[in-house]
Amino acid sequence: SQTIHQWPATLVQPVGSPLSLECTVEGTSNPNLYWYRQAAGRGLQLLFYSVGIGQISSEVPQNLSASRPQDRQFILSSKKLLLSDSGFYLCAWSTGPHSVYGYTFGSGTRLTVV
Amino acid sequence: DQQVKQNSPSLSVQEGRISILNCDYTNSMFDYFLWYKKYPAEGPTFLISISSIKDKNEDGRFTVFLNKSAKHLSLHIVPSQPGDSAVYFCAASDTSGTYKYIFGTGTRLKVLA
Repeated sequence: SQTIHQWPATLVQPVGSPLSLECTVEGTSNPNLYWYRQAAGRGLQLLFYSVGIGQISSEVPQNLSASRPQDRQFILSSKKLLLSDSGFYLCAWSTGPHSVYGYTFGSGTRLTVV
Repeated sequence: DQQVKQNSPSLSVQEGRISILNCDYTNSMFDYFLWYKKYPAEGPTFLISISSIKDKNEDGRFTVFLNKSAKHLSLHIVPSQPGDSAVYFCAASDTSGTYKYIFGTGTRLKVLA
């Protein structure tokens, strides 16, 4: 069966520090991978998605970046965090161009920038 | 530009009664819709879906209705249970291969025992 792992679960970082969040998927190959953010009082905002190794599409211009160094690994990074980067970050995967079940989400990372 | 809107941020319902959660969309190209349920500090989990070729889909206590002319969908939960208390997100996608769903802002449902 397929599983998705996301870590860490919680993170408190000072403004200006770097960020690296990692997500891995097991039990499937060539998944579509996504990073979402849920900010306080807001919905789920798509940040990045990837349909293959090295292929990254950015939805929202910001100081975050994403990389996919391996087929089932997706990394969200920042060189210098802003207060506005605080939120709940979710990694997700799907089986192909369009999945009737949508995405399977990880358990999320609560990021607080102080 | 919020293409998927859930105008009610919260809803309280008595246990055993019907919960109705609403969602509106603006993009007429959307032809597949999902509902997700999310508990605090967890990722959302898939609940039910509907294609634009249907106007209703039912799965146990959960029914989703789609009104394409009004660009509106709703999720009915009958009967509501305390364990249904969560945030519910609707999501929409067009099936032209854009690889992504657009999510609404969510509605927090509280089922009172």
